[in-house]
Amino acid sequence: EDKVVQSPLSLVVHEGDTVTLNCSYEVTNFRSLLWYKQEKKAPTFLFMLTSSGIEKKSGRLSSILDKKELFSILNITATQTGDSAVYLCAVLSPGFKTIFGAGTRLFVKA
Amino acid sequence: DAEITQSPRHKITETGRQVTLACHQTWNHNNMFWYRQDLGHGLRLIHYSYGVQDTNKGEVSDGYSVSRSNTEDLPLTLESAASSQTSVYFCASSESAGGTYEQYFGPGTRLTVT
Repeated sequence: EDKVVQSPLSLVVHEGDTVTLNCSYEVTNFRSLLWYKQEKKAPTFLFMLTSSGIEKKSGRLSSILDKKELFSILNITATQTGDSAVYLCAVLSPGFKTIFGAGTRLFVKA
Repeated sequence: DAEITQSPRHKITETGRQVTLACHQTWNHNNMFWYRQDLGHGLRLIHYSYGVQDTNKGEVSDGYSVSRSNTEDLPLTLESAASSQTSVYFCASSESAGGTYEQYFGPGTRLTVT
């Protein structure tokens, strides 16, 4: 059975800290891995990763994929209270079917 | 601007009633998806469609149905609502070409079955 596992499930940090969120997967036919951020509404897209070892970066957020070890990490540096959200990892199979992990709930204290 | 909308945003219904949740997108995307989100489970795929007249079952499709009569709409029907179907429902759409596979999500519908 295909699955996506995220860790930790929840995390509390102070502003300015750096955090690393983990996503491991077991999927029969891997196409891409995507990260989303979900605040009190719909998920919004952060990154799509298809190739191993190539870092995607957007401001203080970055992500990398390891297709040999079947995992990805999402790093957030110099965290701010606005980074508080649930971060979702998802794996896309051929045919656009997407399997989501349960998410990591991040809370950044001022 | 293109968007994806859902209605109603909140719904309370009784056990056994038929309920339909609407999803409308103006992205002109071929792919459309319905998910439910429950605490501890993340987003679970209910049904999806790759185009008009195409529908497919996801991992939690029992008790739900969809139909796709045009590109813009994918309504989700709960045939006989059960308390276990109390959840937040998200509709999403994505392109089918061009290498961009991100899904655009609607604002969600919070459904309570009493």
